[in-house]
Amino acid sequence: GDSVTQMEGPVTLSEEAFLTINCTYTATGYPSLFWYVQYPGEGLQLLLKATKADDKGSNKGFEATYRKETTSFHLEKGSVQVSDSAVYFCALHKTSYDKVIFGPGTSLSVIP
Amino acid sequence: GAGVSQSPSNKVTEKGKDVELRCDPISGHTALYWYRQSLGQGLEFLIYFQGNSAPDKSGLPSDRFSAERTGGSVSTLTIQRTQQEDSAVYLCASSSSSYNSPLHFGNGTRLTVT
Repeated sequence: GDSVTQMEGPVTLSEEAFLTINCTYTATGYPSLFWYVQYPGEGLQLLLKATKADDKGSNKGFEATYRKETTSFHLEKGSVQVSDSAVYFCALHKTSYDKVIFGPGTSLSVIP
Repeated sequence: GAGVSQSPSNKVTEKGKDVELRCDPISGHTALYWYRQSLGQGLEFLIYFQGNSAPDKSGLPSDRFSAERTGGSVSTLTIQRTQQEDSAVYLCASSSSSYNSPLHFGNGTRLTVT
C-alpha cells in the first residue's frame, strides 16, 4: 500500500545550521506531497506543498522539491532558528477519494 | 474566515463512561478526517469522510469507537466505555474535494480518562 517514510528524530541543531529532513514515499500514480508543521502547544498547519514532479514548494525559508525519480520530498532550510523547533510531518494525497497518508513525524530542536 | 472548530477542548472522564467529541469543519469542505495523537507521538489515522460517507474506517482501534457525519458538515466521534489507553488528543481536519488541497486542522480535544 501507499506509505510515507521520514527520518526519525529527534534532530538537534545549532542555530543557523543547515537543515535536511528526509522524506520518501511509496505510491502509484502522481500524488500531491505536503509538509506540515506542529509548533509546541499548537495545532498542525501546512508548511508547503508540491503537486507535480519537479515542483518546488517553499515557505518561511523552507523548501522541498518533488522528485519523482527518487520518490522523495526532502525538507530543507539554509539557516534554522530557535523558532523552527517543532515536529515536521511529510504527507501524500493521491486522489480525492483516497485518504491523506502521513509519515511518523520528525522532531526538530534548535538550540541557541 | 472560521477554521475547523472542535469541542470540547478538554474532556476528563471516568473509565467506563461514554464520550462524544465534535468537529465543525470549514464550510464547504467535503473531506473530514479524525486523527489521534498521544503525547510525543505521531498521528494515528482513525477515519475519514467524503461527504457523509466513510470510505475508510480502518483506523478505528476497536468497536468502542464510532463516528458519523451529518449534512456533509458536523462530525461526531463517539468512544464508548472509555479506557485509560484512550487518553490522547483527538484531532479533526477538513479539506476541499481536490486532492491537492491541504488539510486544515482544528486545535484538538484533549481527552483524559481517569
